[in-house]
Amino acid sequence: GAVVSQHPSRVICKSGTSVKIECRSLDFQATTMFWYRQFPKQSLMLMATSNEGSKATYEQGVEKDKFLINHASLTLSTLTVTSAHPEDSSFYICSARLSKGIGNQPQHFGDGTRLSIL
Amino acid sequence: GENVEQHPSTLSVQEGDSAVIKCTYSDSASNYFPWYKQELGKRPQLIIDIRSNVGEKKDQRIAVTLNKTAKHFSLHITETQPEDSAVYFCAAGGGFKTIFGAGTRLFVKA
Repeated sequence: GAVVSQHPSRVICKSGTSVKIECRSLDFQATTMFWYRQFPKQSLMLMATSNEGSKATYEQGVEKDKFLINHASLTLSTLTVTSAHPEDSSFYICSARLSKGIGNQPQHFGDGTRLSIL
Repeated sequence: GENVEQHPSTLSVQEGDSAVIKCTYSDSASNYFPWYKQELGKRPQLIIDIRSNVGEKKDQRIAVTLNKTAKHFSLHITETQPEDSAVYFCAAGGGFKTIFGAGTRLFVKA
């Protein structure tokens, strides 16, 4: 149980392109989803927290207009990297948690998306 | 703000030896402490977790200990195997967010 599917797994595109990444909870309803960015050999950097039906909460330093998050249903959250540039190249991972507003439940991670902007 | 420190950043052990990874947290409200294992290019996977009402938990070769007073928690892997080689992240949760440690890269030499 608790499977999180993330697509696509890899994206290579030209600078200026917008890229959408999908995160789906397959066998449970996720009221809260998280988006992380991970640089090589580094930890998971939380970008934003998305709650179903409300606006995402962004971490300090993360541009909300650059990284658009939509959590339209209890099983789907999307991250759109708008007008991507080479510095946006990274590994993006989503995770989902069952209970809203409660930190004491495990997060279940997607497989990640490796984004490469040329 | 909330912070989780993890040590060591790199750990190399001989197959069969034990490995210990330690974390400290700053938020007294933290009451849930998961550990994740991430292999290269793959998703972090939950391997064990512990809640604040428990001091120790064991699952086969893996054990976690928690000292709430000192705000320390540790991961212990016994009889290490080459397939244990990965990056391990500790985390502390209890409020709205879960804060992750910086990770420990474990190498198990055959």
